[in-house]
Amino acid sequence: DAGVTQSPTHLIKTRGQQVTLRCSPISGHKSVSWYQQVLGQGPQFIFQYYEKEERGRGNFPDRFSARQFPNYSSELNVNALLLGDSALYLCASIPGLAGGSYEQYFGPGTRLTVT
Amino acid sequence: AQTVTQSQPEMSVQEAETVTLSCTYDTSESNYYLFWYKQPPSRQMILVIRQEAYKQQNATENRFSVNFQKAAKSFSLKISDSQLGDTAMYFCAFMKHATGNQFYFGTGTSLTVIP
Repeated sequence: DAGVTQSPTHLIKTRGQQVTLRCSPISGHKSVSWYQQVLGQGPQFIFQYYEKEERGRGNFPDRFSARQFPNYSSELNVNALLLGDSALYLCASIPGLAGGSYEQYFGPGTRLTVT
Repeated sequence: AQTVTQSQPEMSVQEAETVTLSCTYDTSESNYYLFWYKQPPSRQMILVIRQEAYKQQNATENRFSVNFQKAAKSFSLKISDSQLGDTAMYFCAFMKHATGNQFYFGTGTSLTVIP
């Protein structure tokens, strides 16, 4: 089975632009979370989606938004990019929220560079 | 709010020796989970070991074991018989029960195994 996949692998954008990152969870996984990992730091929680609904949001500005599609894939959008948005963006999936399914499976990440 | 602290930014260990990575956390929750994740230079996050807070017995996974001290809010990782493939960033992570996959990560410890 394929693991969590993310696209693109790398991305370079200019300040003020908008970017969309994509994530496909493991087949059968219904919950996706997004994390931002700035160089030298641990991942910071941005969003959690389950069954197409937002279930959690971290301390990020409204420039960050996300959605989950009927096939459980997800997109993360960032508007009005700032230099500080440069980071590795990680997607993680789990089967569901119940039954103790608490092992996250991470994707390889998208490296976003804002110039 | 939950915080996770890893006070050792870098550590090194000789191959075949044992090393312990430290992690402390702060929470008012009584029901939660703790994790150690490994992030090799290839950047894919991999689960190393998981501990349920309600379990008094320390988790063990082959060469990896934890020392979970709930009252002290301490969760250290011991790696025995260190191998070159253990070289990676190690992140301690906290998750409140029933939040699915909303993780709080520490800043990481960079471990180098020396041949």
